[in-house]
Amino acid sequence: GQQVMQIPQYQHVQEGEDFTTYCNSSTTLSNIQWYKQRPGGHPVFLIQLVKSGEVKKQKRLTFQFGEAKKNSSLHITATQTTDVGTYFCAANSGGSNYKLTFGKGTLLTVNP
Amino acid sequence: GAVVSQHPSRVICKSGTSVKIECRSLDFQATTMFWYRQFPKQSLMLMATSNEGSKATYEQGVEKDKFLINHASLTLSTLTVTSAHPEDSSFYICSASVGASYNSPLHFGNGTRLTVT
Repeated sequence: GQQVMQIPQYQHVQEGEDFTTYCNSSTTLSNIQWYKQRPGGHPVFLIQLVKSGEVKKQKRLTFQFGEAKKNSSLHITATQTTDVGTYFCAANSGGSNYKLTFGKGTLLTVNP
Repeated sequence: GAVVSQHPSRVICKSGTSVKIECRSLDFQATTMFWYRQFPKQSLMLMATSNEGSKATYEQGVEKDKFLINHASLTLSTLTVTSAHPEDSSFYICSASVGASYNSPLHFGNGTRLTVT
């Protein structure tokens, strides 16, 4: 089935530093979605990327989809303590398959 | 909008008993719901796809006789962990999408933390 590799597994930063997590697939993706899970909480949808080379921004968060639609990244500028949590990418290969396969996630901790 | 309610949020049961977890879409109809399992500090593993009015589709390695899924209506899916054992202790999360497209984002319930003693 569809697999996405996500790195790094953990990232600890000082408040104000930037943060990036990366997802890679060996196959072309129909789309990629990003979710955030706060400690003790459930995943919350952040954004979806569909087009090759697409870039979307949400305040301090920048999401990119690679030209070949095989990789994606989430970049947070000037992290805040509220950014703490695990960020997951999720993808499917399209068609009639509605199933999402999640990356292993990147746990971000921010030191105030 | 797009609220998914999951109940109970926590349950502790004795080994050998069964536990039922409910997942409801409160403000939309969900033809398909998904059940995930998450171990501490790990990713979400899809267990099964719950289809309204038909049998669930289980992922490889998931015992369908142990994890019974029923999707009797467009707003309710249930997961029953039968004859639970300590190794079944985990965080179970359901999800559903508003649209019937692979482009539709998932909305997750709050999850159920199951502890089997």
